[in-house]
Amino acid sequence: GAVVSQHPSRVICKSGTSVKIECRSLDFQATTMFWYRQFPKQSLMLMATSNEGSKATYEQGVEKDKFLINHASLTLSTLTVTSAHPEDSSFYICSAAIIQGAEAFFGQGTRLTVV
Amino acid sequence: KQEVTQIPAALSVPEGENLVLNCSFTDSAIYNLQWFRQDPGKGLTSLLLIQSSQREQTSGRLNASLDKSSGRSTLYIAASQPGDSATYLCAVQLGGSEKLVFGKGTKLTVNP
Repeated sequence: GAVVSQHPSRVICKSGTSVKIECRSLDFQATTMFWYRQFPKQSLMLMATSNEGSKATYEQGVEKDKFLINHASLTLSTLTVTSAHPEDSSFYICSAAIIQGAEAFFGQGTRLTVV
Repeated sequence: KQEVTQIPAALSVPEGENLVLNCSFTDSAIYNLQWFRQDPGKGLTSLLLIQSSQREQTSGRLNASLDKSSGRSTLYIAASQPGDSATYLCAVQLGGSEKLVFGKGTKLTVNP
């Protein structure tokens, strides 16, 4: 199947700093990628839809100025958590599909810990 | 608003047992339903995808069924093995969108 690579897998940062997470589709082009957040023992919650060449679409309740998404190419989307707080500590996962309705492929996830 | 529920939340079985995981969703206007496996601290691995027009999909020891009208899907695992231990997530793709709505998952433990 298609491969989605996410980096880093783990990151620890100090409160108030910014962290960038990368999501790459390695063997296909993805005009749309998705960013999810997962708190312990909870469902994956969609944060935003990342659209290549245009602004991301954020879900209700997600601060777009805090979670900056850039989709500069058909194979790369980045999520930057700005001014991180301990409550931003979570598991962040990206996904991509080749075409609408097709199987979704997920990255390995990034465990963010803000201290 | 689409909601996805998975029961049970956790399941522990002896090796070799056949088992069924359940998933229900509130809005039948889905594009497809997908079952995933998630190992602790890891990303998701897609197991089976069922299009809305299909009734079931099979892959090896796994069989997933879909009854769209009643808003239900089941994942059947035959002859379970300790390596099957993981959290199994069910997700529906909304019609006309690429968004996935996930259940909270069923944590499966297969004991040797």
